[in-house]
Amino acid sequence: GAGVSQSPSNKVTEKGKDVELRCDPISGHTALYWYRQSLGQGLEFLIYFQGNSAPDKSGLPSDRFSAERTGGSVSTLTIQRTQQEDSAVYLCASSLMPLTNTGELFFGEGSRLTVL
Amino acid sequence: AQKVTQAQTEISVVEKEDVTLDCVYETRDTTYYLFWYKQPPSGELVFLIRRNSFDEQNEISGRYSWNFQKSTSSFNFTITASQVVDSAVYFCALGGGADGLTFGKGTHLIIQP
Repeated sequence: GAGVSQSPSNKVTEKGKDVELRCDPISGHTALYWYRQSLGQGLEFLIYFQGNSAPDKSGLPSDRFSAERTGGSVSTLTIQRTQQEDSAVYLCASSLMPLTNTGELFFGEGSRLTVL
Repeated sequence: AQKVTQAQTEISVVEKEDVTLDCVYETRDTTYYLFWYKQPPSGELVFLIRRNSFDEQNEISGRYSWNFQKSTSSFNFTITASQVVDSAVYFCALGGGADGLTFGKGTHLIIQP
């Protein structure tokens, strides 16, 4: 597709359930990022994938959060045993090259997660 | 650790006024990159500008201009003759390595007709 695609756009779940959020980056983009945006807050970095290298997981808030990227393209962010504080918009971004090479980030429209 | 501060949480001006959004950053990196993104009500962040730390030239793009001052660690964004379509949340961000960007909390800009 032309842009970064995320699904679902909205997800309502019950506390304790697992959720999966999907990100389809722009074709050919080697770098992929997940961010979380809570109400009234800035963007919180979660995880970064660059090519086939091991991901930078330094931003994941707890071991309930995990992410994978298959074949260097589509990524899935999984949240296990969801808690109400996990409610946020989860944004995915991709770039053609790492930011050290001044690549620009292209963002998807986000997946809004509501945990009841 | 990197930090970006956008002290203005919300600004409201009347259309055609000029408005400046402040951004102050902290980093120990000697080479870093500064960004501004716009998030309209639709939610998708839109890239506006990237500035390298070694390039202190100010930049103008139409009604938008950016003032990068390394001495004060600031990268302010000015919109001249604001329009209602400029209403959005604007994020300043800092990148210094291969990791994701560090974002400020954003400034909600409201342009009243």
